[in-house]
Amino acid sequence: GNSVTQMEGPVTLSEEAFLTINCTYTATGYPSLFWYVQYPGEGLQLLLKATKADDKGSNKGFEATYRKETTSFHLEKGSVQVSDSAVYFCALSTSGNTPLVFGKGTRLSVIA
Amino acid sequence: DVKVTQSSRYLVKRTGEKVFLECVQDMDHENMFWYRQDPGLGLRLIYFSYDVKMKEKGDIPEGYSVSREKKERFSLILESASTNQTSMYLCASSWGQGGRGANVLTFGAGSRLTVL
Repeated sequence: GNSVTQMEGPVTLSEEAFLTINCTYTATGYPSLFWYVQYPGEGLQLLLKATKADDKGSNKGFEATYRKETTSFHLEKGSVQVSDSAVYFCALSTSGNTPLVFGKGTRLSVIA
Repeated sequence: DVKVTQSSRYLVKRTGEKVFLECVQDMDHENMFWYRQDPGLGLRLIYFSYDVKMKEKGDIPEGYSVSREKKERFSLILESASTNQTSMYLCASSWGQGGRGANVLTFGAGSRLTVL
């Protein structure tokens, strides 16, 4: 079946450090890939997405590139801020009308 | 902004009680979803709906039912609450007929349910 595997957290970084959160997937066909973020006390919100191989999604300084050859969609940010502290979820969808399959989430804490 | 509103942020119920979790969205979205979120397990899909009076089972529907009598409202029902249903419940919605666009979700803030 379809699944998403994320690196386990929590991840703790100092402000301005480089962030990578690994995400790999297993899916039939050619899925679309997503990163959602959940800030404390809130629901999830879409951070970025990519719909085909080699696409790069970006938003708020975060980037992720859809790598079909390694079935990966790692999230990166060059310089994290305290306000980036949140839980990050990688997700996939195998077609436009199927519900998302989420990874287990990675908690990021950024300290000043 | 699209808003998804969940009626209760925190609920405490007793084992065996019937529990209703209400979700309302205000942007005329066709698709609505209920997930539960648990530490170490992430988000798991309980039920979803692509149209009024339509429902589909997700990955963990046992012990739950849903109702969608109006387009804007999607209710999750626990017929007889049990302690293993203690969790954070997240409602979400998206545009798109027939579920198209089902992967770009707007979430509510969640309802944290404790069953004693």
